[in-house]
Amino acid sequence: GAGVSQSPRYKVAKRGQDVALRCDPISGHVSLFWYQQALGQGPEFLTYFQNEAQLDKSGLPSDRFFAERPEGSVSTLKIQRTQQEDSAVYLCASSLDSLGLSQFFGPGTRLTVL
Amino acid sequence: AQTVTQSQPEMSVQEAETVTLSCTYDTSENNYYLFWYKQPPSRQMILVIRQEAYKQQNATENRFSVNFQKAAKSFSLKISDSQLGDTAMYFCAFMRSGAGSYQLTFGKGTKLSVIP
Repeated sequence: GAGVSQSPRYKVAKRGQDVALRCDPISGHVSLFWYQQALGQGPEFLTYFQNEAQLDKSGLPSDRFFAERPEGSVSTLKIQRTQQEDSAVYLCASSLDSLGLSQFFGPGTRLTVL
Repeated sequence: AQTVTQSQPEMSVQEAETVTLSCTYDTSENNYYLFWYKQPPSRQMILVIRQEAYKQQNATENRFSVNFQKAAKSFSLKISDSQLGDTAMYFCAFMRSGAGSYQLTFGKGTKLSVIP
């Protein structure tokens, strides 16, 4: 596709459920980033991949959060045992360069945990 | 740790007028990048402009320009000839330069409304 796509666009989960959020970056983009955006806030960095290697996961808020990009293209962000504080929009971005200087963002997945 | 502060939660401007959005940041780094991102109501974030800290010349992109004051750690965005399509949230962001430091640190954003 022409841009970064994310699915699902909306996800409602009951507290304690596991969820998986998918990101399809722009073809050929080396870098992939995940951000969490709470209501009324700016995005906050979660994790960064360069191809299939996860080089930075310092922003993941707990060990319930896990991300992978096994073949260096599609990425999945998994949240186990969801909590209400996990409710947010999860943004994915990709960049052709390894530094992420021109990040193209997807539309986000809005996660609501009841 | 880096912090980015946007002191104007909301602003409005008349169509065709000029508006300036403020951003300050705090860092001990000497080399870094600064960005302005636009997030329209559809929520897809778009890069507006980027500034390398080592460049003294202010970046410009068509109607968008920045005023980068490194000593004051200030990075404001000027939008000239405002258009209705400029209505959006605007986020200022910081990225440290150097290996292994590719995360963007965002401010809380400024909601800009362009009034016809």
